[in-house]
Amino acid sequence: EAQVTQNPRYLITVTGKKLTVTCSQNMNHEYMSWYRQDPGLGLRQIYYSMNVEVTDKGDVPEGYKVSRKEKRNFPLILESPSPNQTSLYFCASSLSTGTGSEAFFGQGTRLTVV
Amino acid sequence: GQNIDQPTEMTATEGAIVQINCTYQTSGFNGLFWYQQHAGEAPTFLSYNVLDGLEEKGRFSSFLSRSKGYSYLLLKELQMKDSASYLCAVQGDYKLSFGAGTTVTVRA
Repeated sequence: EAQVTQNPRYLITVTGKKLTVTCSQNMNHEYMSWYRQDPGLGLRQIYYSMNVEVTDKGDVPEGYKVSRKEKRNFPLILESPSPNQTSLYFCASSLSTGTGSEAFFGQGTRLTVV
Repeated sequence: GQNIDQPTEMTATEGAIVQINCTYQTSGFNGLFWYQQHAGEAPTFLSYNVLDGLEEKGRFSSFLSRSKGYSYLLLKELQMKDSASYLCAVQGDYKLSFGAGTTVTVRA
């Protein structure tokens, strides 16, 4: 089954404790991205990757890091989480950034930083 | 930059029709998507427009006018399960940008 898998689904952590949210897709998609979703603000892009070893900042990259060492995986790293990073996070992948290439989303990770 | 506007909330009765408007100002345009998102779940793809005009898919239709920077999603024969958020998203050169979403509540 074609899917994007994120882990964990839920995470409560303390300020400053490094964490990684994993994302994996099995569709051989080139393009992957991370979003955060906050009430009233919609989905905002954190980072994106157009292919292996090619990543770039989205609209809200501060406090986050990513890597793309393999095509299927695109982990999101919070080196020193802070309470303002409490949010619902989604990973997404698409075949490319070309026309008609719909995005497939993971199940979401609800992160709480206390 | 990207600026995508859609209404925050809409309420309609089961069996009725609802139209969700989306206006956008973006740098680069490779198409406009509509996604449906039920509370606490991931967004799922509904429709895609890249040329002006209407695309129909069962009870859902989407319209695009590139010259006006305008799209709408039309939901016909509303069902209770259509209660969800509907997200307008514009594909730019390298990224997909989303509006804040419109929460549609269907009443019996």
